[in-house]
Amino acid sequence: GQQVMQIPQYQHVQEGEDFTTYCNSSTTLSNIQWYKQRPGGHPVFLIQLVKSGEVKKQKRLTFQFGEAKKNSSLHITATQTTDVGTYFCADDKIIFGKGTRLHILP
Amino acid sequence: NAGVTQTPKFRVLKTGQSMTLLCAQDMNHEYMYWYRQDPGMGLRLIHYSVGEGTTAKGEVPDGYNVSRLKKQNFLLGLESAAPSQTSVYFCASSYPSRLAGFYNEQFFGPGTRLTVL
Repeated sequence: GQQVMQIPQYQHVQEGEDFTTYCNSSTTLSNIQWYKQRPGGHPVFLIQLVKSGEVKKQKRLTFQFGEAKKNSSLHITATQTTDVGTYFCADDKIIFGKGTRLHILP
Repeated sequence: NAGVTQTPKFRVLKTGQSMTLLCAQDMNHEYMYWYRQDPGMGLRLIHYSVGEGTTAKGEVPDGYNVSRLKKQNFLLGLESAAPSQTSVYFCASSYPSRLAGFYNEQFFGPGTRLTVL
């Protein structure tokens, strides 16, 4: 069955607002990956987290791996229309979450 | 480098027909994967391969077969297509990483949209 749960399933935000998606596992993970898929496109790798408590930043994106290595989050600051898409996490068994679809309201 | 390519881009089949989807990568990656993506279901792993001549089942392998005769190619076959196999199929490849615990960044192809009537 599904090893990672992602919430929320959908998120609508005004342009300029922040956005966060969460990925939760029932088991301890050795690593977690995040991907972005634009509408009509294919998934594109964003980042991989390996260490407990790890925090990585990519411009307006902040990724965190929990201390217990059972959860992770992706936070986008001041969203832009280019952030539209679905964000997926994938666990260390390459099982993907169902994704969070981000809609930006202009 | 073309990266990961998939052939064909679109296909319509009738129930019971067979077809093969081709995935090719020019990055010399050891690992290759086939996923299907359905609305609200995310990406589900069908089969994968950790090297030439090896394949393994993923989450949803029933109704599909695969072959990895050459390192750069990974074929996905549907012997008798069913409407439930209507989906978008993505191929991906990656190289192993000890630091990552086995699975590393995956590079995805553009996808094949398959409709089974």
